Amino acid sequence: QKEVEQDPGPLSVPEGAIVSLNCTYSNSAFQYFMWYRQYSRKGPELLMYTYSSGNKEDGRFTAQVDKSSKYISLFIRDSQPSDSATYLCARNAGGTSYGKLTFGQGTILTVHP
Amino acid sequence: SQTIHQWPATLVQPVGSPLSLECTVEGTSNPNLYWYRQAAGRGLQLLFYSVGIGQISSEVPQNLSASRPQDRQFILSSKKLLLSDSGFYLCAWSPPGARYGYTFGSGTRLTVV
Repeated sequence: QKEVEQDPGPLSVPEGAIVSLNCTYSNSAFQYFMWYRQYSRKGPELLMYTYSSGNKEDGRFTAQVDKSSKYISLFIRDSQPSDSATYLCARNAGGTSYGKLTFGQGTILTVHP
Repeated sequence: SQTIHQWPATLVQPVGSPLSLECTVEGTSNPNLYWYRQAAGRGLQLLFYSVGIGQISSEVPQNLSASRPQDRQFILSSKKLLLSDSGFYLCAWSPPGARYGYTFGSGTRLTVV
């Protein structure tokens, strides 16, 4: 079983829709979780990070961690065509491996006008 | 502010040829440095990471090697490329001991023919 599992999609939604992107993880020791956005042929950029459980909101984006079910989510409200990208979830290994991230395989999102 | 530079952006190399990809970071000192590879439609695979000059840790046995000759320089090399080395190579950095997030470079798309 992979440490971080992510549905690759692709996911296609109309402009203005609420998008839900999800990942599951297997190791309960993970504390930090991140979401990256990657445009085609570009390097990933950090969107949000969360620590432990709960929600974190930044504009149209909300990151959520449910440690009891080992589930992490990213919600995008009022989605825009410019949100079309690959979204990658990641976790920090913790312990002596701070800074080493393990990524899900990414979900391809297309928001059409 | 910190910036990360990675070059070249695109590279086409014949099988059996050598490889050298370079990454430099500006505006910080003693960064953690990372090389990732992203195959088409797949997530990011950590290849190497370094916490200091001359200190290289390999995550995946393969046809590649890495070196860190200077504090903010990270080089990915191969003596003889294989077809399976094709992919999108990403360099990244994080502050020492960072618990979340890297900053990625713009990537090198390598095609071995």
